[in-house]
Amino acid sequence: DIQMTQSPSSLSASVGDRVTITCRASQSMSTWLNWYQQRPGKAPKLLISGTSSLQTGVPSRFSGSGSGTEFTLTISSLQPEDFATYYCQQSYSSPLTFGGGTKVEIK
Amino acid sequence: DVQLWESGGGFVQPGGSLRLSCAASGFTFNTYAMSWVRQAPGKGLEWVSALSGSGDRTYYVESVKGRFTISRDNSKNTLYLQMNNLRAEDTAVYYCAKDRYDDPAIYYSYYGLDVWGQGTTVTVSS
Repeated sequence: DIQMTQSPSSLSASVGDRVTITCRASQSMSTWLNWYQQRPGKAPKLLISGTSSLQTGVPSRFSGSGSGTEFTLTISSLQPEDFATYYCQQSYSSPLTFGGGTKVEIK
Repeated sequence: DVQLWESGGGFVQPGGSLRLSCAASGFTFNTYAMSWVRQAPGKGLEWVSALSGSGDRTYYVESVKGRFTISRDNSKNTLYLQMNNLRAEDTAVYYCAKDRYDDPAIYYSYYGLDVWGQGTTVTVSS
């Protein structure tokens, strides 16, 4: 199984800040990496698939990059609605596996 | 509008059974793989089970093999998860999720899970 490790596990930031979350895989997985946002009490929402493809309706302040074993999710200017937990997920091989999550909190 | 709606969660004693349902609408159900993903209280996401659109390819996480059965009724646009011999560690919110890629022969794709239900809560406790 491919293990996914996210860092940091939590961070505090202010509205307008640039935020970067890292996801590392235990083995190379090309660019088959997805990012989800989960607001408290809600279901996860697919933000980015295939490392960098934004889903329809996702604001352009979100971006993804990386390949192989290291990937990043960047929020260029944090907005109030972005305070949530973010999960990476590899879809390169079964079983699909998720990172442990990064909770973005208000400073 | 593409929607998923889970039901069937509840409180059950260890060793008991529950059947979760996930009603789908707004897409051609039988061409998409469907998954169950769970989230234990305060924890992350775990891919539990998946089923191809054709219904003949499955995946189960090791901890539920032999206890859980995934199935679907494409005529009713509904996905199921039969959970037997439940354990305390099965306590979680269970989400059904649709694969982003339409290929009825696969149980997962490279492209992620693009639609999720609101979740149904399963609590296993004595």
